[in-house]
Amino acid sequence: EAEVAQSPRYKITEKSQAVAFWCDPISGHATLYWYRQILGQGPELLVQFQDESVVDDSQLPKDRFSAERLKGVDSTLKIQPAELGDSAMYLCASSLGTSGSKNEQFFGPGTRLTVL
Amino acid sequence: GNSVTQMEGPVTLSEEAFLTINCTYTATGYPSLFWYVQYPGEGLQLLLKATKADDKGSNKGFEATYRKETTSFHLEKGSVQVSDSAVYFCALSSNTNAGKSTFGDGTTLTVKP
Repeated sequence: EAEVAQSPRYKITEKSQAVAFWCDPISGHATLYWYRQILGQGPELLVQFQDESVVDDSQLPKDRFSAERLKGVDSTLKIQPAELGDSAMYLCASSLGTSGSKNEQFFGPGTRLTVL
Repeated sequence: GNSVTQMEGPVTLSEEAFLTINCTYTATGYPSLFWYVQYPGEGLQLLLKATKADDKGSNKGFEATYRKETTSFHLEKGSVQVSDSAVYFCALSSNTNAGKSTFGDGTTLTVKP
């Protein structure tokens, strides 16, 4: 069964360092999402791609976060510099599209980031 | 903006008890509504969905009905099992804003034998 892959699964870093997360969506899924999930809360959308284009990054802290999906397939989320408050689970999800029967999201296992 | 409010947890039930987890939403237009489940140590997975008013989503004995008049999508199951212990998230996907998704904060369910 096709799955969304994420790496690394765990990352420990010191504040002010740079970190990067990678996501490989299910083949053929045009829409890719990055979420941040703080313990005890629901996922918060950081950025959404349709193919290689960003369609929503309104909640992405653009002074330190960046995301790309250059060929419309896999994606990288970067934080530089990391801050203590960035400690969270970072989830990637993908879907066929955004309307009707296509908007079911499939989630990866997530990357747990700890900033010391 | 859009928002989703879930009943606060945690919820603890005995096996075979009836489950209701309340979910209400605020959104413009006619969003799609979802329940996702996260079992211990696993990622989120779709439990059920409904895409228009009065639709009923169902899966694994769980049901939820899209009620536009009350802006609700309550999750129900007639007889829970220990294996249903998980965190349940209500979510919506906007049909007017590129399918932007909004999640509730999750409700932790523990079912005791």
